[in-house]
Amino acid sequence: AQSVTQPDIHITVSEGASLELRCNYSYGATPYLFWYVQSPGQGLQLLLKYFSGDTLVQGIKGFEAEFKRSQSSFNLRKPSVHWSDAAEYFCAVGFFTGGGNKLTFGTGTQLKVEL
Amino acid sequence: ETGVTQTPRHLVMGMTNKKSLKCEQHLGHNAMYWYKQSAKKPLELMFVYNFKEQTENNSVPSRFSPECPNSSHLFLHLHTLQPEDSALYLCASSQGPSEETQYFGPGTRLLVL
Repeated sequence: AQSVTQPDIHITVSEGASLELRCNYSYGATPYLFWYVQSPGQGLQLLLKYFSGDTLVQGIKGFEAEFKRSQSSFNLRKPSVHWSDAAEYFCAVGFFTGGGNKLTFGTGTQLKVEL
Repeated sequence: ETGVTQTPRHLVMGMTNKKSLKCEQHLGHNAMYWYKQSAKKPLELMFVYNFKEQTENNSVPSRFSPECPNSSHLFLHLHTLQPEDSALYLCASSQGPSEETQYFGPGTRLLVL
């Protein structure tokens, strides 16, 4: 069965510092991978996605993620964090079943930004 | 983002009440989803609808009853809920059953007393 692990429950960084959020997945085939962000009281907003091709993908708000098949990882990065990036971040793996496409989510990483 | 809307945004109900959550997508999508988000747990997929037909029921208790009258609207009817059903209920949509990207609404925060 597929699974997603986000090992860091909370991360605190200073504004302007770099950020890396970790995500590891378990899936038998080539995965579809996603990062979503959720601000307090809001739904999930898609940051970026990987389907195939270039393993370094660019997303919105200056985020990028790199797919590493050998490590089963899809870590999210940002070179310089802004205070408005404080939110919860979810990694997800997508796969197809007879019922259509499904997403399995990690438990999320809560990002705090210190000014 | 107003592609997927959900009403109400907040709901408080007793265990004997009957209420409904509504989701509407304005993206021309054909697949819609209900998820449950509880504290400290990953999002749980509840139901999937493709072209108005239910294609996935992830072992959801019968006190949750979904309805999809057309590809743009999705309802979740609630009755005799339990306090542990308190959570954020998220609706999502995608272009179709083979489209990988799902777009989420803001959710309904449900509290069952």
